[in-house]
Amino acid sequence: DVKVTQSSRYLVKRTGEKVFLECVQDMDHENMFWYRQDPGLGLRLIYFSYDVKMKEKGDIPEGYSVSREKKERFSLILESASTNQTSMYLCASSYLEEQETQYFGPGTRLLVL
Amino acid sequence: AQKVTQAQTEISVVEKEDVTLDCVYETRDTTYYLFWYKQPPSGELVFLIRRNSFDEQNEISGRYSWNFQKSTSSFNFTITASQVVDSAVYFCARRPTGGTSYGKLTFGQGTILTVHP
Repeated sequence: DVKVTQSSRYLVKRTGEKVFLECVQDMDHENMFWYRQDPGLGLRLIYFSYDVKMKEKGDIPEGYSVSREKKERFSLILESASTNQTSMYLCASSYLEEQETQYFGPGTRLLVL
Repeated sequence: AQKVTQAQTEISVVEKEDVTLDCVYETRDTTYYLFWYKQPPSGELVFLIRRNSFDEQNEISGRYSWNFQKSTSSFNFTITASQVVDSAVYFCARRPTGGTSYGKLTFGQGTILTVHP
């Protein structure tokens, strides 16, 4: 079975802090994705990566950066957390071939005070 | 942006009722994929189905069925004889094929389904 894990289920941070969200997948997937989920807005893509050290902006990249130093790990970074970044963050991965389905992690619920 | 719209924010039914979740999408792409995901209270999205835009056949999997109508840009999901375990948030999503947008899913807003015993 595909396994996508995220470092924390719940996280509380203060405004201005630097926040790291980690995602690890064990299926040798080339693609990895970060989404945020907000009520009434569904899931919105923040960044994705199709290879080590490669990244592309999604629909809402402002205020975020990412890092992919190893194939299995994709990190989302909030350089200076703000209250409007309070949200559920979901990581996903998939094979490079376009027909493949994305598999999701359990999510990290982030609260920025 | 090419949207995916799930007009029903919340649906509440009693066990054993049938329920249909609507999904309408916008697209300028010739070919694309459509998906349904389920998000139970645990939070992890669970893949339910992928449909290629070439294939308009309806699909049935146990109590689940999907109706794809390309002419109306709709991809509706029906649960027959609903059960309490079906309670979850359901997301419809769309993804173009080819180009640099490969893998990039556009999600609807989600429909919260509550099945009461």
